[in-house]
Amino acid sequence: AQTVTQSQPEMSVQEAETVTLSCTYDTSENNYYLFWYKQPPSRQMILVIRQEAYKQQNATENRFSVNFQKAAKSFSLKISDSQLGDTAMYFCAFMNRNAGNMLTFGGGTRLMVKP
Amino acid sequence: DAGVIQSPRHEVTEMGQEVTLRCKPISGHNSLFWYRQTMMRGLELLIYFNNNVPIDDSGMPEDRFSAKMPNASFSTLKIQPSEPRDSAVYFCASRPDGSYGYTFGSGTRLTVV
Repeated sequence: AQTVTQSQPEMSVQEAETVTLSCTYDTSENNYYLFWYKQPPSRQMILVIRQEAYKQQNATENRFSVNFQKAAKSFSLKISDSQLGDTAMYFCAFMNRNAGNMLTFGGGTRLMVKP
Repeated sequence: DAGVIQSPRHEVTEMGQEVTLRCKPISGHNSLFWYRQTMMRGLELLIYFNNNVPIDDSGMPEDRFSAKMPNASFSTLKIQPSEPRDSAVYFCASRPDGSYGYTFGSGTRLTVV
């Protein structure tokens, strides 16, 4: 079984600054994906970024990038030039490609972007 | 496509009553998932269907919970009888086979009083 841990229940950042959200996971699998999802107050789950475990290059999507450290089983999310609309819950998630592609989520980090 | 459609968006019911949550997945998505979100336990997978067949229901908390998928375009999650500790947001998600791309519905916020 996989576990996903987000050690920061809440974080805050000033608008336009950079913030990093932490995530660690535990698995014995080699074929997996990692994701960050954003959940704004509307409750909708929005995919922010994904990383395939077999890729060494860190994924980037505009202002969002990850630092994937496979040996350390660490998968942090960096948000650059934070915007007020980034205020949300952020969930790290693990997908085991050998077991039905089910998602296992971390407990979430509540991010507040302050003006 | 309208995305994954869940109904109702909010449900308030009294303890002991039966509650049915509904989900319409995206057409062509073979896999359907029910998740429950609470403050204490975060997002938990309850049950997973593939091609309308339940594959993994190990996350269903107890016999009061049941889920069905009678056809490719409809699934229900039923709680009978409901209890206050069942209060949560219940999400449905669907995904095509072989894809990583989950699409989540907007969730049903259930309050059992």
